[in-house]
Amino acid sequence: QQQVKQSPQSLIVQKGGIPIINCAYENTAFDYFPWYQQFPGKGPALLIAIRPDVSEKKEGRFTISFNKSAKQFSLHIMDSQPGDSATYFCAASMRYNFNKFYFGSGTKLNVKP
Amino acid sequence: GAGVSQSPSNKVTEKGKDVELRCDPISGHTALYWYRQSLGQGLEFLIYFQGNSAPDKSGLPSDRFSAERTGGSVSTLTIQRTQQEDSAVYLCASSLHRDRGDEKLFFGSGTQLSVL
Repeated sequence: QQQVKQSPQSLIVQKGGIPIINCAYENTAFDYFPWYQQFPGKGPALLIAIRPDVSEKKEGRFTISFNKSAKQFSLHIMDSQPGDSATYFCAASMRYNFNKFYFGSGTKLNVKP
Repeated sequence: GAGVSQSPSNKVTEKGKDVELRCDPISGHTALYWYRQSLGQGLEFLIYFQGNSAPDKSGLPSDRFSAERTGGSVSTLTIQRTQQEDSAVYLCASSLHRDRGDEKLFFGSGTQLSVL
């Protein structure tokens, strides 16, 4: 059973567009939700993370929106650039119990010039 | 080095052979994770080491898989009698585990394992 469901599988946007990637979870014990960015041939790198006590977090052009009641969270990339083309993974875990993270299946983003 | 180092970067083996994958975590990081990334799939948790605690092996898919971490640093993931379905990228990550309610995983570039 997949603990975190991510969509879409792939996404193509024009430069300057705002791609949105969505994730949903079932386990209400999750209370830490990071997003990782992965470029080809590299390991994933932490992009931004949120805790459920806030509904939104921004870091530069990246924003996480969090809906606790719906058990959903999403990543928005403002003014997307070709350099943002990568695979994005959402994840969920339990704070103070980081023995494992549950990752979504990934979204391959292509930002066209 | 400053980052997590994995070796080899690529490994091609024949079905039935044993393989060993190595991970050198960032110095001082007490937590170490192994994940498996299959083509088009997310990251599948395999095993977690934290300090001197017993490892969490709950993600290992079969008894052909094992891992150890020596001296709280270097880790080796061993796959015995490899099968074609073992073909994947094996990622290692380490973290500082600061008990602050957040956790940043630093991933290596992975080992691409191909079982023929």
